[in-house]
Amino acid sequence: AQRVTQPEKLLSVFKGAPVELKCNYSYSGSPELFWYVQYSRQRLQLLLRHISRESIKGFTADLNKGETSFHLKKPFAQEEDSAMYYCAPPNRDDKIIFGKGTRLHILP
Amino acid sequence: DTEVTQTPKHLVMGMTNKKSLKCEQHMGHRAMYWYKQKAKKPPELMFVYSYEKLSINESVPSRFSPECPNSSLLNLHLHALQPEDSALYLCASSQDLGGLMNTEAFFGQGTRLTVV
Repeated sequence: AQRVTQPEKLLSVFKGAPVELKCNYSYSGSPELFWYVQYSRQRLQLLLRHISRESIKGFTADLNKGETSFHLKKPFAQEEDSAMYYCAPPNRDDKIIFGKGTRLHILP
Repeated sequence: DTEVTQTPKHLVMGMTNKKSLKCEQHMGHRAMYWYKQKAKKPPELMFVYSYEKLSINESVPSRFSPECPNSSLLNLHLHALQPEDSALYLCASSQDLGGLMNTEAFFGQGTRLTVV
């Protein structure tokens, strides 16, 4: 089954410091991975997807096939980045599923 | 209209009550989903509808009964729930089923359900 691992439940980072949220996948090929974000009291929404290669809200994510990773990165954290972040793999059974999530807490 | 709308936002129900959660989207999406989300946990998939037909039931207890009356509406009928069913229930839609190509899901704000 297509699965992802988000090893950190909680990541605390000071404002202005770099952020890296980890996501590792365990299957071969070129997976179409997504990152979703859930801000407090807001709906879960797509943040970015592998294939688009764009930067959203300063975040980028690169697929590293050698390390089987799709880590989410931002060079300078902002307080409004505090949220839950979910890595989402593709699924041959047509299910939209999520990793266990990482709570990002930006410290002032 | 690029939103998924869920009603009600909050619901308190007794264990003998019957209630329904509603979800609506007008984006022309052909796939719709119900999820259950407990505090500090990821959303857990419950049901998937594709072209108004139930395509996936993740072994959900029969006290939860989904219904898709048309391509824009998705209901979740609740009956004889237990306190442990208290959670945030999320509805989502996507253009189509994604499979290995993945597909963006658009989520509603959710219904916060409390079973007493």
